[in-house]
Amino acid sequence: NAGVTQTPKFRILKIGQSMTLQCTQDMNHNYMYWYRQDPGMGLKLIYYSVGAGITDKGEVPNGYNVSRSTTEDFPLRLELAAPSQTSVYFCASSLVRQGGYEQYFGPGTRLTVT
Amino acid sequence: AQSVTQLGSHVSVSEGALVLLRCNYSSSVPPYLFWYVQYPNQGLQLLLKYTSAATLVKGINGFEAEFKKSETSFHLTKPSAHMSDAAEYFCAVSDRTGTASKLTFGTGTRLQVTL
Repeated sequence: NAGVTQTPKFRILKIGQSMTLQCTQDMNHNYMYWYRQDPGMGLKLIYYSVGAGITDKGEVPNGYNVSRSTTEDFPLRLELAAPSQTSVYFCASSLVRQGGYEQYFGPGTRLTVT
Repeated sequence: AQSVTQLGSHVSVSEGALVLLRCNYSSSVPPYLFWYVQYPNQGLQLLLKYTSAATLVKGINGFEAEFKKSETSFHLTKPSAHMSDAAEYFCAVSDRTGTASKLTFGTGTRLQVTL
């Protein structure tokens, strides 16, 4: 049971390039999330999904896109990378049921846009 | 809208001393509350959660937190700090309404443990 896995661990992009951050979970969780973490700012929700085929915007969705074709995978797409997207990105998943909605996090992807 | 405020971005304690990390929440409905820990270059790991059962919640690694509705607080404590507790700690709140369990995080408190 690997939990939530993310690839790549590190990436450097030039301004205007595009890339996809991969996220996979093997816990059969229905909900999945993408966050970005900037120093001193905590985590901000980018997008989330309540199940395959269903996605919705979070607090900071501009410049990103997501898709959820399977329960396991929830890739995050960056189009036209900008320096403001330099951040650490975390994917998370949860099995939403009565009694608490704890989320399980992946190890993160550190992205630098120069 | 719900929110959490963590007082003190940096806290330093001596090994063996009491750890107290403060979290106050704002929510229009009874919340779920969480504490997560993040070790350097790692993802977040759940320490404990409050889901309206007991107000004193025990978590992993000897940490506990008490939900105080009158003070809208959910402070994290540990009686005796260990060097391995050095990390960043995040308080988070989730409401019980809506179709998605979205968490709102505080800005984090970095705990330093000194000899």
